[in-house]
Amino acid sequence: NAGVTQTPKFRVLKTGQSMTLLCAQDMNHEYMYWYRQDPGMGLRLIHYSVGEGTTAKGEVPDGYNVSRLKKQNFLLGLESAAPSQTSVYFCASSLGRRNTEAFFGQGTRLTVV
Amino acid sequence: AQKITQTQPGMFVQEKEAVTLDCTYDTSDQSYGLFWYKQPSSGEMIFLIYQGSYDEQNATEGRYSLNFQKARKSANLVISASQLGDSAMYFCAMREASGGSNYKLTFGKGTLLTVNP
Repeated sequence: NAGVTQTPKFRVLKTGQSMTLLCAQDMNHEYMYWYRQDPGMGLRLIHYSVGEGTTAKGEVPDGYNVSRLKKQNFLLGLESAAPSQTSVYFCASSLGRRNTEAFFGQGTRLTVV
Repeated sequence: AQKITQTQPGMFVQEKEAVTLDCTYDTSDQSYGLFWYKQPSSGEMIFLIYQGSYDEQNATEGRYSLNFQKARKSANLVISASQLGDSAMYFCAMREASGGSNYKLTFGKGTLLTVNP
């Protein structure tokens, strides 16, 4: 049982390049989340999805887009990467009930130079 | 405004002693959930404990317990009999309804716990 898998685990981008981070979960979870983690800032919610075909903005959505075309996948896109987007990105998923914990992927370390 | 506040950037505790990590939250919802996660230096996020807003008893999971004071809007994590392996970053998180039934999961900035031998 793989749980939540993020691809890739590491990436270096040049400013202005684009890329897509893939999150896949095999637990049939309704909810999926994308966070970024920066030193001293904790985890900040970028976008989230409450079901296939739906997305919503979190705390820091600017510069990112997302899509949830299939229930098991949640994609995070950077159209024109900036050095300020250097961060560790975490994907998480959970059932649609309030009292269930979120399961996290291993994280993607992204550096924009 | 901060939804989750963890006022202790760093904490130190002696091995085998108990430690309390503080968490206060802000919500206007009546129904919400509170979570604690542990992030060791390897980076993975590990779920520790959950407390629902309607739960009358404080949650406990092994050496972890959650001191839930609803009127004060606090959900402090208590770790008893600290072990060297408890050294990690600890995050408090809240799931609340956002615009109906859409539940956002929001995290605090974390507390770095160091257990000394």
